[in-house]
Amino acid sequence: AQKVTQAQTEISVVEKEDVTLDCVYETRDTTYYLFWYKQPPSGELVFLIRRNSFDEQNEISGRYSWNFQKSTSSFNFTITASQVVDSAVYFCALSEATTGGFKTIFGAGTRLFVKA
Amino acid sequence: EAQVTQNPRYLITVTGKKLTVTCSQNMNHEYMSWYRQDPGLGLRQIYYSMNVEVTDKGDVPEGYKVSRKEKRNFPLILESPSPNQTSLYFCASSPRAGRYQETQYFGPGTRLLVL
Repeated sequence: AQKVTQAQTEISVVEKEDVTLDCVYETRDTTYYLFWYKQPPSGELVFLIRRNSFDEQNEISGRYSWNFQKSTSSFNFTITASQVVDSAVYFCALSEATTGGFKTIFGAGTRLFVKA
Repeated sequence: EAQVTQNPRYLITVTGKKLTVTCSQNMNHEYMSWYRQDPGLGLRQIYYSMNVEVTDKGDVPEGYKVSRKEKRNFPLILESPSPNQTSLYFCASSPRAGRYQETQYFGPGTRLLVL
């Protein structure tokens, strides 16, 4: 069965610190997609990244970077030089095909506080 | 502007009074889905739809119904709401279903309180 675990419920850092948000997933499929979403205090869900199971390249986008390791079933997210605007809840999600279509499982989320 | 819209954004109702939350997307997306968000549980998928007249259950479908009569609309129906359905609901859409599922775009959310 699918499962996504974000073991860190809350993280608090001081501005300019680097912070890594962990995501561990479980799936039996060989084809699947992994996502990260950001939910700022305003409540909307903002897409950050998608990665398919065949692409283990790490990715960097500005201060954000992602480390995908199939060997450990992990898809960790690092924010470099954190800023107050990074304060949000971050969700990791896993999508995989089913007989009826596609199902998506979200982790419980990690709340990040960045203090000035 | 490409978007997913939900209405209403906020709703207070009483147990047993049928309600519908509408969801509409203007991007001609095939795939649409409903989620509920509860503290400590993240988002959980209620129902999803691959295309018109094709729907399937997610992980928490009990107490909910959906329909997909038009490609752009995917309403969520609570026939007899109960307090445990108090939650934040999100609708999402995605360009294509199947093997090459793409990013889901989320609506702004509907906060429901059932008394």
